[in-house]
Amino acid sequence: DAGVIQSPRHEVTEMGQEVTLRCKPISGHDYLFWYRQTMMRGLELLIYFNNNVPIDDSGMPEDRFSAKMPNASFSTLKIQPSEPRDSAVYFCASSVAAGWSGYTFGSGTRLTVV
Amino acid sequence: EDKVVQSPLSLVVHEGDTVTLNCSYEVTNFRSLLWYKQEKKAPTFLFMLTSSGIEKKSGRLSSILDKKELFSILNITATQTGDSAIYLCATPKGNTPLVFGKGTRLSVIA
Repeated sequence: DAGVIQSPRHEVTEMGQEVTLRCKPISGHDYLFWYRQTMMRGLELLIYFNNNVPIDDSGMPEDRFSAKMPNASFSTLKIQPSEPRDSAVYFCASSVAAGWSGYTFGSGTRLTVV
Repeated sequence: EDKVVQSPLSLVVHEGDTVTLNCSYEVTNFRSLLWYKQEKKAPTFLFMLTSSGIEKKSGRLSSILDKKELFSILNITATQTGDSAIYLCATPKGNTPLVFGKGTRLSVIA
């Protein structure tokens, strides 16, 4: 298996533009997680899905953020409109369970909003 | 409020030194505590601890959990420059996703 695949690896965009981050989880993993990492706040959970259904999106900072999982092999995280404070590394991870098991992380998308 | 606190936030040591990284936690329905190593990219899994007092070991790295005092330590002996990374600990709240500490940034200099 190729692991969790994220794209793009880097994204630089201007404030106000729409940004879409993509993730392909490991086949057979029923859980998919979106995390955001910054120096100040560390790794924060944004949203997670179980069997393509969003379970908890309480970590999504604002209505500007949205996430979808149309099928078991693909998820997107969209920011519209983007702001400089959204600059961070966004990780997608997948797992066979939500809690006790270790997650497999993608390589992340480094987003810079100027 | 559930939380995971790591200390120190950063650490600089010389090759060959032994380091101890700390992680304290307060979560409801504790099930496990996990350690990850993050170099330039994604965090990679090191250990999962569920029982107090049982040491997990992998090469020069070892970890132990104290469920009474609600903390875990990660030890690295004979450090090498390749150990330079951010070390993260995390725990789920029951069967919910992992809550991460902010990490300890370890720098090993030759």
